[in-house]
Amino acid sequence: AAGVIQSPRHLIKEKRETATLKCYPIPRHDTVYWYQQGPGQDPQFLISFYEKMQSDKGSIPDRFSAQQFSDYHSELNMSSLELGDSALYFCASSLVEGADYEQYFGPGTRLTVT
Amino acid sequence: AQSVTQLDSQVPVFEEAPVELRCNYSSSVSVYLFWYVQYPNQGLQLLLKYLSGSTLVKGINGFEAEFNKSQTSFHLRKPSVHISDTAEYFCAVNLKSSGDKLTFGTGTRLAVRP
Repeated sequence: AAGVIQSPRHLIKEKRETATLKCYPIPRHDTVYWYQQGPGQDPQFLISFYEKMQSDKGSIPDRFSAQQFSDYHSELNMSSLELGDSALYFCASSLVEGADYEQYFGPGTRLTVT
Repeated sequence: AQSVTQLDSQVPVFEEAPVELRCNYSSSVSVYLFWYVQYPNQGLQLLLKYLSGSTLVKGINGFEAEFNKSQTSFHLRKPSVHISDTAEYFCAVNLKSSGDKLTFGTGTRLAVRP
């Protein structure tokens, strides 16, 4: 079965640079979530989109923005990167109409800021 | 506000022994409960979930969990562990009335020894 695809899998950036992370949800899924997992930490919710509209917002810095496109893929844009942004970024997708509340996670993008 | 507490950061256990990973949550409203597993350098995989109905939930890889409303707990159990069960385990909650984001516990590292 198709899974959530994230690209790139690894990304190395310098401080103050920008980064764009991409997420391709499972086909027919209508909701995308972004989570940030710092080293040795639990995943923290950043933001979510339902049918291309922002549906919820968590502890996402103002330097970050995200959107969901017409084909349902989502991008997380990160500017003015800081060392503390180094983390594993997960994308998850779900089908709200399915009402099983299960989020399917991608393999993550490991961002390293030097 | 909702929160999730995983009381044990690490649980060492010998192969073929039983194990219990503890999870308690706090919420003034009803929640959905999940257990995810994360193998090294991989994404999150759903083990099992509780939405409603029977309080004993069976998941993949021989794991099960029991929802206890009075104790606000959702402990994960396996009667006999394998070396391959060595991983990080996260308990997560989803408020029924406030979007679909997951709030994770801090994780429990299960280390299975031969």
